[in-house]
Amino acid sequence: EPEVTQTPSHQVTQMGQEVILRCVPISNHLYFYWYRQILGQKVEFLVSFYNNEISEKSEIFDDQFSVERPDGSNFTLKIRSTKLEDSAMYFCASSRDRGSNEQFFGPGTRLTVL
Amino acid sequence: LAKTTQPISMDSYEGQEVNITCSHNNIATNDYITWYQQFPSQGPRFIIQGYKTKVTNEVASLFIPADRKSSTLSLPRVSLSDTAVYYCLVGDDGGATNKLIFGTGTLLAVQP
Repeated sequence: EPEVTQTPSHQVTQMGQEVILRCVPISNHLYFYWYRQILGQKVEFLVSFYNNEISEKSEIFDDQFSVERPDGSNFTLKIRSTKLEDSAMYFCASSRDRGSNEQFFGPGTRLTVL
Repeated sequence: LAKTTQPISMDSYEGQEVNITCSHNNIATNDYITWYQQFPSQGPRFIIQGYKTKVTNEVASLFIPADRKSSTLSLPRVSLSDTAVYYCLVGDDGGATNKLIFGTGTLLAVQP
């Protein structure tokens, strides 16, 4: 069964450093998403992406964040200058259909900012 | 967006049927009801979605009354591996927005 993969599984960084989180969505999916979950809190939507453009973003997704699909398979989330409060699990997801409630999530990247 | 309310936690024993109810009084005409499961340190996983009446798949059943102001996720004969957080989400399917809005979910603890 196809699945979304994410690397690395755990990333530790110093405050102020840039990080890039990587995702490989399911191959025939066209819609891509990033969510985050701070420890013990809700899963929060960050951004959705389609046709090489951001479709929608939340208030969390400020100028420090960017997304990119650099090639036909990878989908990345970059945080330019990490803050302590960026520490969280970051989940990539993909879906085949527009606006679909059935999204396929990856295993997540645990980001720890020191 | 319709707000959902579900119990914070539930306990059950292996082999029992578990029913988790979600209230969504302000559900809109175009909204579907979707349930996700999340194990610790893993991403959420889609379980089931419905619009009205009853939907069943190999994992669960979803019961939706005629007024659609609530829904019940039914897990038959749970096992220890069903211990997880279960989220009820309400939103348009195939509409303009792509984002999923997760609440706090229901932590189901299955004991031997």
